[in-house]
Amino acid sequence: GQSLEQPSEVTAVEGAIVQINCTYQTSGFYGLSWYQQHDGGAPTFLSYNALDGLEETGRFSSFLSRSDSYGYLLLQELQMKDSASYFCAVTNTDKLIFGTGTRLQVFP
Amino acid sequence: KAGVTQTPRYLIKTRGQQVTLSCSPISGHRSVSWYQQTPGQGLQFLFEYFSETQRNKGNFPGRFSGRQFSNSRSEMNVSTLELGDSALYLCASSLVAGADEQYFGPGTRLTVT
Repeated sequence: GQSLEQPSEVTAVEGAIVQINCTYQTSGFYGLSWYQQHDGGAPTFLSYNALDGLEETGRFSSFLSRSDSYGYLLLQELQMKDSASYFCAVTNTDKLIFGTGTRLQVFP
Repeated sequence: KAGVTQTPRYLIKTRGQQVTLSCSPISGHRSVSWYQQTPGQGLQFLFEYFSETQRNKGNFPGRFSGRQFSNSRSEMNVSTLELGDSALYLCASSLVAGADEQYFGPGTRLTVT
């Protein structure tokens, strides 16, 4: 079967760094994506890793280890506006499978 | 470039009724995927359409169906509604089928009473 696991909730303070982990089990793995969703909003694409290593996009970075079936999203210099749900998603041969999401709460 | 649009945004139906939701993808995008989002289950894949053909389907009963038109607009239909169908239904478009980068619409909030 296919499954993704990520923590249900993470809290942090403004200016801090937070890491959201994602472990997956799937066949036909192509890559790992991350999406952000604010309350009442639509998911928006953040990043995609097809190869092992770190991808950096501004304050956000995403990492993938294919051998460990593991990835993470790293958010630096946290801002209040980063409070949202973050979903990892696996691209396999057929479709995009989402994890259940991690709710990030940033406190002042 | 206009984003993905979904209509209606909110819908209230009663058990046993049927509902049709509409999604207009970003211009030039030929793939439309549908997802059901509920608080406990996250985003569950319903189906994907590409060039008017259903390319893949998730683990949902046959009451859930969809179609795509030649202009890439898509509709999904749920027949014989059940209370458990209450959810946010999101559609997402992408240039190619099975894309990792998908652009989501605002969703249709369906409440079944």
